[in-house]
Amino acid sequence: AQKITQTQPGMFVQEKEAVTLDCTYDTSDPSYGLFWYKQPSSGEMIFLIYQGSYDQQNATEGRYSLNFQKARKSANLVISASQLGDSAMYFCAMREANFGNEKLTFGTGTRLTIIP
Amino acid sequence: SAVISQKPSRDICQRGTSLTIQCQVDSQVTMMFWYRQQPGQSLTLIATANQGSEATYESGFVIDKFPISRPNLTFSTLTVSNMSPEDSSIYLCSVERFQKEAQYFGPGTRLLVL
Repeated sequence: AQKITQTQPGMFVQEKEAVTLDCTYDTSDPSYGLFWYKQPSSGEMIFLIYQGSYDQQNATEGRYSLNFQKARKSANLVISASQLGDSAMYFCAMREANFGNEKLTFGTGTRLTIIP
Repeated sequence: SAVISQKPSRDICQRGTSLTIQCQVDSQVTMMFWYRQQPGQSLTLIATANQGSEATYESGFVIDKFPISRPNLTFSTLTVSNMSPEDSSIYLCSVERFQKEAQYFGPGTRLLVL
C-alpha cells in the first residue's frame, strides 16, 4: 500500500488565486511528521512546511499552510495568493518514528502551473 | 537551514564507467542521506550515510553499485559504479541537523549515461 498518496498529477491555477494540493497518508505509527517540498525546474528540493502528528494547530509558513486532518489522514498544502514563481512540482512526504530509522517517504508529486 | 553543495552539478558519462558525487555541508549534521530521482518520478532513498561506519542501504540498492563514504560530519560521497543508461537520474543528498527537524536538500547532480 502507498504510504503517501497525491491524487493530482497536475493542476492549473490562475495567478492570485488560492490553491490546495492534496495529500493523504497511511501509517500505524502514532508519532510521525508530514512535510511538503517544492521542486522547481532547476531540480532542487525546497522545504516548505512541517506538521507533527502531535501538533494541535495547523502549521503555517507565510503563504503556505497545512490543513491537517488527523482522523482522515490528510495533510493538504494550501498556497494563498498564488504567484507565477509557485509553478513547480510539489511533493508531500512522511517520516515515521520507526524505531529510530527515521527516513522520508515521498508521494508521487503534483505539478502546479500558475497561469498569468 | 543548512547550506549544502554538490559536485558535479551535472555530468554526461559513458556506460561502464563510475562517477563520484560529493556533498558538502556548511555545518555539522547528524544525518546525511542520498536519494535518486529518475526522470519524471518521485524521490527514492538510496541509503543513509553514517559517519564512521558503513552506510545503511534501502531495499534494491547495494554497496557494490552505490558505495558511500562519510569521513566526517560535514561531507559525504556517493559513487555510481559501472553505470548503465538506467542510472540516468538526479542524485540528491540531504541532511538532517537535529532529530525531528526537516531534511534539507542539496541542489542535486543531474547524471546522463549514454
